[in-house]
Amino acid sequence: GAVVSQHPSWVICKSGTSVKIECRSLDFQATTMFWYRQFPKQSLMLMATSNEGSKATYEQGVEKDKFLINHASLTLSTLTVTSAHPEDSSFYICSAREWGHSNQPQHFGDGTRLSIL
Amino acid sequence: AQTVTQSQPEMSVQEAETVTLSCTYDTSESDYYLFWYKQPPSRQMILVIRQEAYKQQNATENRFSVNFQKAAKSFSLKISDSQLGDAAMYFCAYRLPNSGNTPLVFGKGTRLSVIA
Repeated sequence: GAVVSQHPSWVICKSGTSVKIECRSLDFQATTMFWYRQFPKQSLMLMATSNEGSKATYEQGVEKDKFLINHASLTLSTLTVTSAHPEDSSFYICSAREWGHSNQPQHFGDGTRLSIL
Repeated sequence: AQTVTQSQPEMSVQEAETVTLSCTYDTSESDYYLFWYKQPPSRQMILVIRQEAYKQQNATENRFSVNFQKAAKSFSLKISDSQLGDAAMYFCAYRLPNSGNTPLVFGKGTRLSVIA
């Protein structure tokens, strides 16, 4: 079945550094990918919709300059947390659905646990 | 805007018994998809079951079934013969059917405990 690979699964870094998270669709093409953020014991909150070849669409309250999204190909989207601070520590999950298959469910990556010291 | 409400933050069930998790949603659309996802401690998102709004028949997947009441905008999940491995967070989700670019809208989740 369709698989979405997310890397890294866990990252710890110092405050002020930038962290890049990759999301790849391994056996299908995805013109759109979604980035979610999940705080402990809470639900998934949509951060942005990543569109191949164009700008991402950010949800209200999400800083586009803080969370840079690049969707350079039909199989890869990246989320870069710039100048990360402890409050950016969270669980980030990407998901994608195969292009042209609106009746198919979204496939999720295994998530990235980001800890900022 | 579409919203999904899960009114039970926590539920528990005895092993081998049946439990029902509630979900209601608000939408003005007539065509959409509904999902239940399971998130175990590993935090993987696992699709449990899905329902197309245009289908009247309730979806079933082995021990998992739904009670879809379109007029009431209700979509409950029934887990039969509960197993220890069913313990997890369960999220109800809604999505419009547009090709490719519509995200899932999640409820706040229900944490299910299974008692041996």
